[in-house]
Amino acid sequence: SAVISQKPSRDICQRGTSLTIQCQVDSQVTMMFWYRQQPGQSLTLIATANQGSEATYESGFVIDKFPISRPNLTFSTLTVSNMSPEDSSIYLCSALLPPRLNTEAFFGQGTRLTVV
Amino acid sequence: GEDVEQSLFLSVREGDSSVINCTYTDSSSTYLYWYKQEPGAGLQLLTYIFSNMDMKQDQRLTVLLNKKDKHLSLRIADTQTGDSAIYFCAESRDYGQNFVFGPGTRLSVLP
Repeated sequence: SAVISQKPSRDICQRGTSLTIQCQVDSQVTMMFWYRQQPGQSLTLIATANQGSEATYESGFVIDKFPISRPNLTFSTLTVSNMSPEDSSIYLCSALLPPRLNTEAFFGQGTRLTVV
Repeated sequence: GEDVEQSLFLSVREGDSSVINCTYTDSSSTYLYWYKQEPGAGLQLLTYIFSNMDMKQDQRLTVLLNKKDKHLSLRIADTQTGDSAIYFCAESRDYGQNFVFGPGTRLSVLP
């Protein structure tokens, strides 16, 4: 199995500022993903974090707003830039272990962001 | 695009069975999942099923898949208060990647 730690677990931020969320996995993973869960909504995939190259963004999400880094196989960051109240959500990191381990996709506990 | 639908709320009495239903639109879905989200926690994978299966049982959990109708259900036998959570149905074409989630069903277990 894998343990995914996200920091911070929650934050309250002023509009116009940026917040960087960290995701640390305790083992090397092949793929890492960032999801957003808006209040009362389901989860939406923001992007796939690619190690050593630019992230792959889903429709409706852009790099300028959600820059992502993945410097190695166990760590990724998501930045929510120039925040507005509409960015208030839970942001979740997900990781997929190598196929040989034949196991599940793991999720972090989420970062609850409130923009005021 | 792909869509996954679920009823938003379900209440059952402790000891009864719970059945949470889900429908999806993507006929290319290969994997279908049920995730549980407890307050303040991340998502926990309960079970998943390949699209070429019609049933999977794991202890108190039974998953039924009707691929023709694109309908998935999760049955929890002998529901306990600890089962109170939000249950997400999800689908993907590749395992563990590019999930499309339903809105989640909030299960309340009454004493």
